[in-house]
Amino acid sequence: DGGITQSPKYLFRKEGQNVTLSCEQNLNHDAMYWYRQDPGQGLRLIYYSQIVNDFQKGDIAEGYSVSREKKESFPLTVTSAQKNPTAFYLCASSPEDGFNQPQHFGDGTRLSIL
Amino acid sequence: AQSVTQPDIHITVSEGASLELRCNYSYGATPYLFWYVQSPGQGLQLLLKYFSGDTLVQGIKGFEAEFKRSQSSFNLRKPSVHWSDAAEYFCAVGASYNTDKLIFGTGTRLQVFP
Repeated sequence: DGGITQSPKYLFRKEGQNVTLSCEQNLNHDAMYWYRQDPGQGLRLIYYSQIVNDFQKGDIAEGYSVSREKKESFPLTVTSAQKNPTAFYLCASSPEDGFNQPQHFGDGTRLSIL
Repeated sequence: AQSVTQPDIHITVSEGASLELRCNYSYGATPYLFWYVQSPGQGLQLLLKYFSGDTLVQGIKGFEAEFKRSQSSFNLRKPSVHWSDAAEYFCAVGASYNTDKLIFGTGTRLQVFP
């Protein structure tokens, strides 16, 4: 079955450490997205990529970085500059670029601070 | 830029009762509207979408939503709720323009009593 795979499901970060969240899709979708979800808030866009080797900042990109070297993969790095990284991170993809397209979501990674 | 409001943070219904979840949006152009459902610890699943045409949209799992332009609303309904419908529901408005993003509401948590 096609879908989006996020790993790991749970991740713990130490102070001053960078961590990388994996997102892989086999849907052959062009566009991929990273969202952050905090309790009582909607999803907030961190980064998005409409084609390989290109990506744009979303609304809360500070302290995060991404790469898009392959169509199927869009890893997110949470850097030590992100002072409040504890959250649920969701990766999504859509067949075409543009924010009027339905997005397909992975099952998320929950990041906590040790 | 667009915005979405889900006025109800938490709703409780009895199994078999009808359900309506409210969503109000603000957007200067033609809205692209979505409802997603999220089970605990999971990603989001698309229930239905509205792009144009018939203002009553049918989705998966017996859900429907009605677009009312005059009220800037896109309320989600289900005639008879099942215990398995307990989850968090998110309304989202997509963009007609490439400079706008997909904006999510803060969600409504549905609890179902037997």
